[in-house]
Amino acid sequence: TQLLEQSPQFLSIQEGENLTVYCNSSSVFSSLQWYRQEPGEGPVLLVTVVTGGEVKKLKRLTFQFGDARKDSSLHITAAQTGDTGLYLCAGGITGGGNKLTFGTGTQLKVEL
Amino acid sequence: DTGVSQDPRHKITKRGQNVTFRCDPISEHNRLYWYRQTLGQGPEFLTYFQNEAQLEKSRLLSDRFSAERPKGSFSTLEIQRTEQGDSAMYLCASSLGGQRSNYGYTFGSGTRLTVV
Repeated sequence: TQLLEQSPQFLSIQEGENLTVYCNSSSVFSSLQWYRQEPGEGPVLLVTVVTGGEVKKLKRLTFQFGDARKDSSLHITAAQTGDTGLYLCAGGITGGGNKLTFGTGTQLKVEL
Repeated sequence: DTGVSQDPRHKITKRGQNVTFRCDPISEHNRLYWYRQTLGQGPEFLTYFQNEAQLEKSRLLSDRFSAERPKGSFSTLEIQRTEQGDSAMYLCASSLGGQRSNYGYTFGSGTRLTVV
């Protein structure tokens, strides 16, 4: 069974601060995706990383896939209130039918 | 195409009743997935289809749960004899299929089920 543990589980910060969310597993994944979910809505894809050590940037968000493809991190610079939401990592394996295993989630709240 | 649609958005039912949810995926996506999510947690995989074939079903899915995708387009998820533990958000997602594992999902807005 593949498990993805995210830390921290909850994070409450002030606007303008930086933060990092971690996603860890003992399993190797072929790809790792990050989603953001707002209350009452489905998750929305932010990024997909597929190569060990890969770094992708999306405006103020920086995503990294671990060298061994077992972990990933999401770093947000100068957080804004609009970044508030549930952040989910999700891992996929080749031949797995593109079935994703989702992480435990990190609830981020950014306040003024 | 307006994305993935789920109906209804909310459903309140009495324990023991049957409920059915519908999902309309993005038309060119051949894969369709059902997940269940409780508040503040990550989605848990239930089942998925490639076209009309149901290729995998989670052990979380008891015999009371059944899913269909009769023509490879829309899908239904039925829960028979609902229990309070079935209360959750039921999410449908679709994606392109293939050998690679890195196609992103497009999720619907979900169906919030409350069993009273």
